[in-house]
Amino acid sequence: AQKVTQAQTEISVVEKEDVTLDCVYETRDTTYYLFWYKQPPSGELVFLIRRNSFDEQNEISGRYSWNFQKSTSSFNFTITASQVVDSAVYFCALRNNAGNMLTFGGGTRLMVKP
Amino acid sequence: KAGVTQTPRYLIKTRGQQVTLSCSPISGHRSVSWYQQTPGQGLQFLFEYFSETQRNKGNFPGRFSGRQFSNSRSEMNVSTLELGDSALYLCASSRSLAGGPEAAHEQYFGPGTRLTVT
Repeated sequence: AQKVTQAQTEISVVEKEDVTLDCVYETRDTTYYLFWYKQPPSGELVFLIRRNSFDEQNEISGRYSWNFQKSTSSFNFTITASQVVDSAVYFCALRNNAGNMLTFGGGTRLMVKP
Repeated sequence: KAGVTQTPRYLIKTRGQQVTLSCSPISGHRSVSWYQQTPGQGLQFLFEYFSETQRNKGNFPGRFSGRQFSNSRSEMNVSTLELGDSALYLCASSRSLAGGPEAAHEQYFGPGTRLTVT
């Protein structure tokens, strides 16, 4: 069985602070994929990144960066110099290689105050 | 390129009724998945369709069903609605199933249908 845990249910920061959202996963599969999605108040899940289990390279995209560590089964997401527009619920998700079914974590609500 | 569209966006039904939700995937995408999102249970997988065939099914009662048409559009149906079925129903589309080209593994979500059962 697969499982994704996002221990932080809610984080509040002041604009321009850096913030890291944690994600820990469990799977018995050797090939799997990890995702981060952003859900603004409108409700639509916005795709942010996909990472394959065989590629542990960290990735940076503008103010966003992701740290994937297989040794600790973690896939953490850092927002540098946070902005009010970053306020949303962020979901980490896991998928194996047998289909497109995503297992989601419980989500982390990020509030960025001006 | 148009994104995933879902209709209707909002729906209010009473207990015992049935409801049909519709999802149109991104052009060229053949896989459609459905998810239910509630405050208590979070995001849960309902089912996935590819080329008109159900490929995976989540742990939901038989009242929840779906289908996919030859143009990849999908519908899900919930019969004998219960109060607990009130949720945001999200549809996601992907170009293919796992095992295809790397770029095919992203799933793009629609805006959802918010169903309220009274």
